[in-house]
Amino acid sequence: EIVLTQSPATLSLSPGERATLSCRASQSVSSYLAWYQQKPGQAPRLLIYDASNRATGIPARFSGSGSGTDFTLTISSLEPEDFAVYYCQQRGTFGQGTKLEIK
Amino acid sequence: EVQLVESGGGLVQPGRSLRLSCAASGFTFDDYAMHWVRQAPGKGLEWVSGISWNSGSIGYADSVKGRFTISRDNAKNSLYLQMNSLRAEDTALYYCAKDKGSGYDLRYFDYWGQGTLVTVSS
Repeated sequence: EIVLTQSPATLSLSPGERATLSCRASQSVSSYLAWYQQKPGQAPRLLIYDASNRATGIPARFSGSGSGTDFTLTISSLEPEDFAVYYCQQRGTFGQGTKLEIK
Repeated sequence: EVQLVESGGGLVQPGRSLRLSCAASGFTFDDYAMHWVRQAPGKGLEWVSGISWNSGSIGYADSVKGRFTISRDNAKNSLYLQMNSLRAEDTALYYCAKDKGSGYDLRYFDYWGQGTLVTVSS
């Protein structure tokens, strides 16, 4: 069973800054990895699939990279609405989440 | 507009059963795999079960295998989850989620419902 480990657990940044979130898989998953955003009281939203493809309607400030075991979600310039919890996912496994909070 | 509306949640005693439903609209239901994903209060996401477009492929998380059964009725644009032998650890918000593809293997969930809450307690 694949384990996904996200880091950091919490990331404190200010609007306008660049955010870099990490997801590491316990074994190679090729490029089969997705990222989701979840805000309080809301369902998750698909941001990135196949490691680097933006989902429909996702702003260009969100980008994904990586393959094999190491993946990154980058938000180039944080908007106030980007502060949320982010999960990586590979098939039936989710990471534990990274909370992106306002500094 | 894609809409997924879950129903059937509630308070149930340990060992009892519950059936969740998900009504889908705004897309060609029988073109896509569908899934159930749950989230315990204050916790992360857990994939529960998935079913391919034609019900030919079905999968379950180990935590629910043998107790839960997923099904779909393409004529009714509906997804179901029959939950038997419920345990306290099954307490969660259960989301219905649409897959980007027809097979359930990659499991990219591009649309989600708002969830239905299942509470297992005596």
